[in-house]
Amino acid sequence: ELKVEQNPLFLSMQEGKNYTIYCNYSTTSDRLYWYRQDPGKSLESLFVLLSNGAVKQEGRLMASLDTKARLSTLHITAAVHDLSATYFCAVDGTKGSEKLVFGKGTKLTVNP
Amino acid sequence: EPEVTQTPSHQVTQMGQEVILRCVPISNHLYFYWYRQILGQKVEFLVSFYNNEISEKSEIFDDQFSVERPDGSNFTLKIRSTKLEDSAMYFCASTYSGLAGIYNEQFFGPGTRLTVL
Repeated sequence: ELKVEQNPLFLSMQEGKNYTIYCNYSTTSDRLYWYRQDPGKSLESLFVLLSNGAVKQEGRLMASLDTKARLSTLHITAAVHDLSATYFCAVDGTKGSEKLVFGKGTKLTVNP
Repeated sequence: EPEVTQTPSHQVTQMGQEVILRCVPISNHLYFYWYRQILGQKVEFLVSFYNNEISEKSEIFDDQFSVERPDGSNFTLKIRSTKLEDSAMYFCASTYSGLAGIYNEQFFGPGTRLTVL
């Protein structure tokens, strides 16, 4: 069974600091997705990582994928309060499956 | 920008009642999904739908659940006899090409919060 693990699950950080969220998954997958969810809201697509070594950046967020290590990271640079949200990584299900398998999410709180 | 829409935003029902959750996927998308998220927990896959039939379902999607695309735009999830543990946020998602395409980026609707009393 495909497992997706994120850590940390909770992250409280000061504005201006840097931090990294980690996403490990248990089976071979070349495609990994990062989503953001604000409280009571839907899932907003942030990044789609399609191959080993893929790196994408949007503003203060940068995501990378290492398919050999089965690891993706979401790096936050100089955090601001607006980044406070829950961040989920997800991978495609096992071969032939169309479902996305999500991690438990990382609840990020950025304090002034 | 096209988006997935869902109605209602919040549904309160009594245990044992039937509910229908509605979704309008993005218009040129071909693959449709339902996920649920129990409060404070991760998002779980329920079912995928393509070419007017279920292509995959999870163990959560038992005989109490059904999906339908009654016309060219709506995609519905029906729960026949709701249980307390069905209380969750239900998200509809759609994508153009699924695994057949380059990637399977799924676009999520705003969700329906289902409360079963």
